[in-house]
Amino acid sequence: NAGVTQTPKFQVLKTGQSMTLQCAQDMNHEYMSWYRQDPGMGLRLIHYSVGAGITDQGEVPNGYNVSRSTTEDFPLRLLSAAPSQTSVYFCASSAGTRDTGELFFGEGSRLTVL
Amino acid sequence: DAKTTQPPSMDCAEGRAANLPCNHSTISGNEYVYWYRQIHSQGPQYIIHGLKNNETNEMASLIITEDRKSSTLILPHATLRDTAVYYCIVRVGGGTASKLTFGTGTRLQVTL
Repeated sequence: NAGVTQTPKFQVLKTGQSMTLQCAQDMNHEYMSWYRQDPGMGLRLIHYSVGAGITDQGEVPNGYNVSRSTTEDFPLRLLSAAPSQTSVYFCASSAGTRDTGELFFGEGSRLTVL
Repeated sequence: DAKTTQPPSMDCAEGRAANLPCNHSTISGNEYVYWYRQIHSQGPQYIIHGLKNNETNEMASLIITEDRKSSTLILPHATLRDTAVYYCIVRVGGGTASKLTFGTGTRLQVTL
């Protein structure tokens, strides 16, 4: 199993550009989420999904869109990138209603917005 | 979810036990204590969790006080590879785990 796979690992954008961070998991997990981590800070929840077709906002959702058309994939879209969105983004998944509290994280996507 | 308080940093000599404290004085009866760690800039890694009984796995032990207002994560024989930021998180367990809230954690430095 690959676990949670994030692409790209690194990305540089100009202000106003759009892009999508991809996240895929092969563990048949119901729950998926996106976090961002700024230097010296903990992780903050952006959006999460408890199953295909269901998404909800986390702590810092502004500027980001998500969709969950399949169990495996949970892309994060930045429609008009801003320098404040420079951060490291982590995708995570868990077994949802069967879970034990263990979140599985991807390796992160490092985004710089100029 | 209950708030947690952790020291910002700790040092430990390699081979010794690392004892990382966490205060969660407002914990509710149905809230679990979770511990994760983040090595360098990798994604966080689950370590252990518990409700009220002490727990042990291949990575660590979790000691929860009888009143559940605090807990201690114990790494019995710390190695250099255990240098990381350790997060203590309290939330309702079961179901959708997740919406876990990560604070700033404790930065553990293991030295020779």
